[in-house]
Formats: sequence, C-alpha cells, structure tokens
Amino acid sequence: QIQLVQSGPELKKPGESVKISCKASGYTFTDYAMHWVKQAPGKGLKWMGWINTYTGKPTYADDFKGRFVFSLEASASTANLQISNLKNEDTATYFCARTKLGADFDYWGQGVMVTVSS
Amino acid sequence: DIQMTQSPPSLSASLGDKVTITCQASQNINKYIAWYQQKPGKAPRLLIRYTSTLESGTPSRFSGSGSGRDYSFSISNVESEDIASYYCLQYVNLRTFGGGTKLELK
Repeated sequence: QIQLVQSGPELKKPGESVKISCKASGYTFTDYAMHWVKQAPGKGLKWMGWINTYTGKPTYADDFKGRFVFSLEASASTANLQISNLKNEDTATYFCARTKLGADFDYWGQGVMVTVSS
Repeated sequence: DIQMTQSPPSLSASLGDKVTITCQASQNINKYIAWYQQKPGKAPRLLIRYTSTLESGTPSRFSGSGSGRDYSFSISNVESEDIASYYCLQYVNLRTFGGGTKLELK
C-alpha cells in the first residue's frame, strides 16, 4: 500500500539546523512530485513548495525562500526538508504530501513536529 | 500568487444539520479546488477533488460545487465523525490553502 513515512519529532535551539525525511513506498517515487506543508500549533495549513522527484528541481513558496531546502535521495525513495538558522516561528508540524504534476495532494505523511526553543 | 479566502473560520452545528463552507479565489481557478478534512494530530484527508469529484471512500453526504472564483463545500446530515477542521486548496497555479474552518458540535 502507498505510504509516506516521516522521521521523528525534533527539538532544536534557535540558530540550529534540522533535516526531516519523508520515505515513500508502494508506488514509483519519480512518478509523483513531493510537496511540503507547514502547520504551526493551532493554525492552518501553509504550502511551502515542492520538488520534482524526476529532475530534482525544487520550487519554493515566497515565504520559504532562503533557509529552506528540499532535496532527494531518489535511490531511497526519500524526500528531505532542511531548515537552517531555526527561529521560534519555525515551531510547527511539517507534512510531506505527494501529487501528480498539476494535481491535488492524495497521500500525506504523518507529519513531523519540530520544536524550536532555547 | 492566488489567495483563497475561506469562510466561516468556525461553525457550530447540531447532528443532522447541513453546513456549508465557502472559498473564494483571488482569480479564476477553473474548478481546480480540492477539499480536505483534518482531525487533531492527524494529516489532512482528501475528500473532494476538482470541485465536486468525491474521493474514494468519501461519504455521499459530502458535496462540492462552484466555478470561476467561487466554490462551496457542504455536509448534509452532519455526523459526530465529521467534527474536524476543513480546508480548501487551489491547485491551478502552485498551491494555496484556505484559512480553514473548524466544525464543532452545538
């Protein structure tokens, strides 16, 4: 069955970096794009951008340009999100979600809670 | 970038009620809107795609409609398992979520 399994919760200090992963199974990894979505505590969903799993090209939403990097380990069917110079406002749950190009999100990871606190 | 204005932010309903949520896009999105349900601590679940197509497993009490910039999502005969937050998503150009609607029991 199709699954997106994300890495575990993270507790970091301001200024540190974090890398979270999203491992896909049950389908051909390069047939679907991978997107990232942020949800701050008690808030709504915010689209961060996506990575073309065939070409490796990332696209970032305006609010996520600079400290955020999407990457792939295609041989492991895994997409990664790295956030550098963490700030308190990065405290959130981060979801990965797959799409066919130009389509909606049909499968989601379980989410990773990242807590940034001194 | 396309903005999605979702209303209301919260909704109180009794079991068996019909509720409707709306999303207005900042430009024509050509029916490329999906609706998601999210329960606390869980990932969102796709209910409806392309305005009105029910995803497999979505109960028929859920429905969607609209065109151009204006779209709506309804639940007829609200059940206790429908208590959740709901989000619209435009996917005609990049992706944008609406602000969400929290459905509570009256």
